[in-house]
Amino acid sequence: DAGVIQSPRHEVTEMGQEVTLRCKPISGHDYLFWYRQTMMRGLELLIYFNNNVPIDDSGMPEDRFSAKMPNASFSTLKIQPSEPRDSAVYFCASSPETGKEQYFGPGTRLTVT
Amino acid sequence: AQKITQTQPGMFVQEKEAVTLDCTYDTSDQSYGLFWYKQPSSGEMIFLIYQGSYDEQNATEGRYSLNFQKARKSANLVISASQLGDSAMYFCAIITGFQKLVFGTGTRLLVSP
Repeated sequence: DAGVIQSPRHEVTEMGQEVTLRCKPISGHDYLFWYRQTMMRGLELLIYFNNNVPIDDSGMPEDRFSAKMPNASFSTLKIQPSEPRDSAVYFCASSPETGKEQYFGPGTRLTVT
Repeated sequence: AQKITQTQPGMFVQEKEAVTLDCTYDTSDQSYGLFWYKQPSSGEMIFLIYQGSYDEQNATEGRYSLNFQKARKSANLVISASQLGDSAMYFCAIITGFQKLVFGTGTRLLVSP
C-alpha cells in the first residue's frame, strides 16, 4: 500500500496568496483528518471527514481556512489569504474505522513570508 | 475534554537497553483509545502501538509494549533493546468517541552507542 500521499511536500508563498494542500488517503479508509503542527501549539486537529462528509471543523482557526473532500480518494485544505502565522507542517491522516489508529502522510511544510 | 501529559521532555538511553516513556491521560469517557506515535527528524508521524480502554492485556508490537494502568490513568511506552534508529520524538495520544486524536507535547529520545 502506498500510504497517505500529500502534496506538495514543501510550499513557500508570500503573505496574501492562496495555498492549496492536497491529500490522498489510504484506499478503503473512511476517515480523513487534517492536522497542523507548530512548535508553539504542537499537533492540532483542524477538521475530519467521514465518508467524504465534514464531521467536525471546530479546529479550523478561522474563515481563511477551508477543506473539501469531493471523493473518497482526494481532499484539499485551502488557506486564502495566507498569513505568516499559518507557517507550520500540515499533516493529513486516514483511518479505517472509528477510534482506531490513524496513518499519517509525510506532511506539507508551509512557509508564508 | 481529553488531555495527555508527557512529563519527560527528553530521555537518554544506551543502545540495547530498555527505556520507558511516561504518559498520563485525563478523560471522563469510559471508552477511549491510547496511541503512541514516533516522529523521527525527517518529520513523518509513524504509528507504533494502540491500547483500547477495555483491553485487559497490555498491547505489544515487536520491541514496543504499552504498560496500561487504567486506575492510574497511565499508558507508558516501553521500548526494549533500544536501537540507534529509535532516536526520535515520541507522542502519546488519546481518542474518544468524538474521533479527535489529542496529542501530548512529546518526549525526545536519544539513543547513544
